[in-house]
Amino acid sequence: DIQMTQSPSSLSASVGDRVTITCRASQSISSYLNWYQQKPGKAPKLLIYAASSLQSGVPSRFSGSGSGTDFTLTISSLQPEDFATYYCQQSYSTPRGFGQGTKLEIK
Amino acid sequence: QVQLVQSGAEVKKPGASVKVSCKASGYTFTSYDINWVRQATGQGLEWMGWMNPNSGNTGCAQKFQGRFTITRNTSISTAYMELSSLRSDDTAVYYCARVDIAGPTEGAFDIWGQGTLVTVSS
Repeated sequence: DIQMTQSPSSLSASVGDRVTITCRASQSISSYLNWYQQKPGKAPKLLIYAASSLQSGVPSRFSGSGSGTDFTLTISSLQPEDFATYYCQQSYSTPRGFGQGTKLEIK
Repeated sequence: QVQLVQSGAEVKKPGASVKVSCKASGYTFTSYDINWVRQATGQGLEWMGWMNPNSGNTGCAQKFQGRFTITRNTSISTAYMELSSLRSDDTAVYYCARVDIAGPTEGAFDIWGQGTLVTVSS
């Protein structure tokens, strides 16, 4: 099975900050990497698919990059509604595992 | 609009089974895979398994083999997840999610159900 490891597990930041979350796969997954945002009590929401493609309706301050084993999610200028938990997920093979999550909190 | 609507919360005793439904609307049910993901309180997302509603083919994570079943009724655009031999650590919110395997999103889960809380308690 492919293991997905995110860092950091939690992050404190302020409105307007630029933040980066990292995800590493235990083996190459090409660009089959997705990012989700989850708010308390809600289902996850797809932000980025295929490592760098922005899902329809997602603000352009979100961006993704990487290929192979190393990937990043960047939020260029944090907004109040961005404080949530973020998960990466590989869709290269089954089981389609998720990272352990990164909780983004207000500083 | 495109949506997945799941059945309501369940309370089960250890050893029992639970069946959760996921009704699709706003798109062609048989054109997208359905996956199931669960989340225990305060924990991360755990992928459980998948189904192709067109063929009926399924697969699941090794830890659930033997007690996890996914079925569908294409006439009502509904997928079902059944988990048997329930234990207290199966207490979680269970989500269904749509996957466009052949499309541009390359296997991403683009539409999610609202979640179904399953509580296992004696």
